[in-house]
Amino acid sequence: GAGVSQTPSNKVTEKGKYVELRCDPISGHTALYWYRQSLGQGPEFLIYFQGTGAADDSGLPNDRFFAVRPEGSVSTLKIQRTERGDSAVYLCASSPKALGDTQYFGPGTRLTVL
Amino acid sequence: GEDVEQSLFLSVREGDSSVINCTYTDSSSTYLYWYKQEPGAGLQLLTYIFSNMDMKQDQRLTVLLNKKDKHLSLRIADTQTGDSAIYFCAEKGAPGGGNKLTFGTGTQLKVEL
Repeated sequence: GAGVSQTPSNKVTEKGKYVELRCDPISGHTALYWYRQSLGQGPEFLIYFQGTGAADDSGLPNDRFFAVRPEGSVSTLKIQRTERGDSAVYLCASSPKALGDTQYFGPGTRLTVL
Repeated sequence: GEDVEQSLFLSVREGDSSVINCTYTDSSSTYLYWYKQEPGAGLQLLTYIFSNMDMKQDQRLTVLLNKKDKHLSLRIADTQTGDSAIYFCAEKGAPGGGNKLTFGTGTQLKVEL
């Protein structure tokens, strides 16, 4: 079966621009997570959805970052007024349900802000 | 807050055993995970252990958990060149504390012929 997919695989943008990163979770998984991995670091939690609602957005660094999951499946991470410090790999994960379930990760989107 | 630490680098010879260590601070951790990341790829789940267990074996992989010392290790038997990658340990906190994973910085395993 298909795993978690993320598009685009690479995104290069200029400082100040707006970007959208997409995640398609494994079919039937109700929980979806976004993480950010900077070079040489482990992934850091951004936000977690249970169904359509954001159950925990405590990891979003500031109000330039926003994520949606309107139909409880595909999710979009949106970054406004991008800064060079936003450059990282953005990872998405999904799990069948949240509590106690293993998170399965997608390949990530590498964002480069020039 | 939660903190997870790993040594940065490990080099072993092909055929030897590798032991990757991890320490964590959250005493309410429920699950602990090991993920593998190859260059340019996402995270691949290798194995996990529930916090009330002290050992789990899965083929060449053995996970040991010392909950008192908050120490987790991953042993890879008969290490192969294909095992060269970065290995991350991660912990999930208690229910109600969120379902996020807190990751270590990763241990780069290099397998030499």
